Amino acid sequence: DIQMTQSPSTLSASVGDRVTITCRASQSIDRWLAWYQQKPGKAPKLLIYKASGLESGVPSRFSGSGSGTEFTLTISSLQPDDFAIYYCQQYDSYTNTFGQGTKLEMK
Amino acid sequence: QVTLRESGPALVKPTQTLTLTCTVSEFSLTSSAMGVNWIRQPPGKTLEWLARIDWDDDTYYRKSLETRLTISKDTSKNQVVLTMTNMDPVDTATYFCARFNMLRGGYDYWGQGILVTVSS
Repeated sequence: DIQMTQSPSTLSASVGDRVTITCRASQSIDRWLAWYQQKPGKAPKLLIYKASGLESGVPSRFSGSGSGTEFTLTISSLQPDDFAIYYCQQYDSYTNTFGQGTKLEMK
Repeated sequence: QVTLRESGPALVKPTQTLTLTCTVSEFSLTSSAMGVNWIRQPPGKTLEWLARIDWDDDTYYRKSLETRLTISKDTSKNQVVLTMTNMDPVDTATYFCARFNMLRGGYDYWGQGILVTVSS
């Protein structure tokens, strides 16, 4: 199975900060990568598909980039609602896998 | 608005079989390029994909669990059913069903999840 490794595991930031989360795949997945936001007790919410496609209704402060094995999720100016856990997910094969998550917490 | 809703038992005993149902609305289980998946999340851990059934009835399973899993659908009821045999305490998790959009990729709609605890 393709392994997905996110960094950092925890990120402390303040409202207004620009933050970046990295996701690395154990082998090339072209651009078959999605990003999700999850809040406690809730289902994940799709933010980005195909590495850089912004899901409908998601604020434009969220952006994704990358291809092959290295990807990033950037939030250009953190808002209070953005503190959550973020997951990357590869879907290069039907046995898709998720990263271990990055907890974005308030500094 | 597309919705998915999981239902099933909150508690099962070890060795029992778990049956979960995902009822969908506002989209058809025969819609081209759409698949319904089951994904679970143990408490405090990451998400783990389990199984998928596509619009054309193709099915896929997590390799490490495929002997225990069966996914099926009833299009007349708009339901997808997952059975998992021989449940163990390590299977304690929140189980989600989610729609995979093959046109773009990604799980674009999710159910609210159901916490299943395996304990005697």
